[in-house]
Amino acid sequence: AQSVTQLGSHVSVSEGALVLLRCNYSSSVPPYLFWYVQYPNQGLQLLLKYTSAATLVKGINGFEAEFKKSETSFHLTKPSAHMSDAAEYFCAVTSYNQGGKLIFGQGTELSVKP
Amino acid sequence: DADVTQTPRNRITKTGKRIMLECSQTKGHDRMYWYRQDPGLGLRLIYYSFDVKDINKGEISDGYSVSRQAQAKFSLSLESAIPNQTALYFCATSDHRQGDNQPQHFGDGTRLSIL
Repeated sequence: AQSVTQLGSHVSVSEGALVLLRCNYSSSVPPYLFWYVQYPNQGLQLLLKYTSAATLVKGINGFEAEFKKSETSFHLTKPSAHMSDAAEYFCAVTSYNQGGKLIFGQGTELSVKP
Repeated sequence: DADVTQTPRNRITKTGKRIMLECSQTKGHDRMYWYRQDPGLGLRLIYYSFDVKDINKGEISDGYSVSRQAQAKFSLSLESAIPNQTALYFCATSDHRQGDNQPQHFGDGTRLSIL
């Protein structure tokens, strides 16, 4: 069975500081990994995805994530936080034998202080 | 117009009532999903459908049923609502023809409160 663990349900950073949101996964087969962002009163929006090509993946709004197989991690980073980055972030995993079904982490709420 | 539309956006109802949440999409995707979101639990899969004739239970299907009326429409029903079904419900779609590594596309959600 696949699973995702996001370390830290709440992360707070200052504007301009580095954003690091942690995601560790478990999968017995090569995974496909996704980061989604949810703004208040909205659905989930895809930030980026890893599907077995380049291990460093760049997404929208300046976010990127690095797939590290040895650490079973897919952490999300952004060099400089903006106030508009305040939202909830979800990491999700699937694989070729899951029919596209996603397993989500618990979510991390990011706060950005002025 | 949104590609994945959920109606209603908000609903308050009483225990024991039957409720239907509707989802329609204009993306032409074959696969559709229903999730519920609870604080601290992320999103959990209720039901999913690979096409009109292929419907499958997800992780937490008890107390729910679904209907795929057409490729573009997938509705979720609570036959007899109970308070612990109070949650935020999301519909999502994906395109299998592009492979299993395709992202899902989400509606804006239905906030359901059961008193």
